[in-house]
Amino acid sequence: DAKTTQPTSMDCAEGRAANLPCNHSTISGNEYVYWYRQIHSQGPQYIIHGLKNNETNEMASLIITEDRKSSTLILPHATLRDTAVYYCIADSNRDDKIIFGKGTRLHILP
Amino acid sequence: NAGVMQNPRHLVRRRGQEARLRCSPMKGHSHVYWYRQLPEEGLKFMVYLQKENIIDESGMPKERFSAEFPKEGPSILRIQQVVRGDSAAYFCASSPGGEDTQYFGPGTRLTVL
Repeated sequence: DAKTTQPTSMDCAEGRAANLPCNHSTISGNEYVYWYRQIHSQGPQYIIHGLKNNETNEMASLIITEDRKSSTLILPHATLRDTAVYYCIADSNRDDKIIFGKGTRLHILP
Repeated sequence: NAGVMQNPRHLVRRRGQEARLRCSPMKGHSHVYWYRQLPEEGLKFMVYLQKENIIDESGMPKERFSAEFPKEGPSILRIQQVVRGDSAAYFCASSPGGEDTQYFGPGTRLTVL
């Protein structure tokens, strides 16, 4: 699985869009970009994933650059409940373990 | 549609006792994964099972830890002769198979006194 690099922490004002970057410059053609988050003391929560195209669901949008070397997770209207550690993972589409890095600790400020 | 269920949510054991953690995957999911999160640390993969088979146990400690996923019933993570260093949150995830989206349970927090 390709290595990913994320900022250690970020702040975002409540109600604003939170943009979380992720670098995955060694990603291979069959690896998806996955995002999970872990709210304090809870299990990780799947957010979104994509291969080449931008993706959107009820939780977030995922923007992947054309060269696929980086991506951005966008939470369009952040709330206090979005305070969590966000993990960006590059993984091929097969049944296998998830290798979690340190993620980005996102603080939503009132 | 119930999510992944884990029980107990909290488990307290004394050193030397056995701990049994249970995981019921989402309906229709036949793949189960166990992860461990030590205090103030990241999530680490332990073991991946399909029904009646261990597929990957590369993250399991060599001694005292075992896992199973029988044909009927939940997956069990068993820790024998627990030590204080086993205190952690243990998370189970499941997937339907054939794709990589794993859905996690709420975890079992094990405390070893």
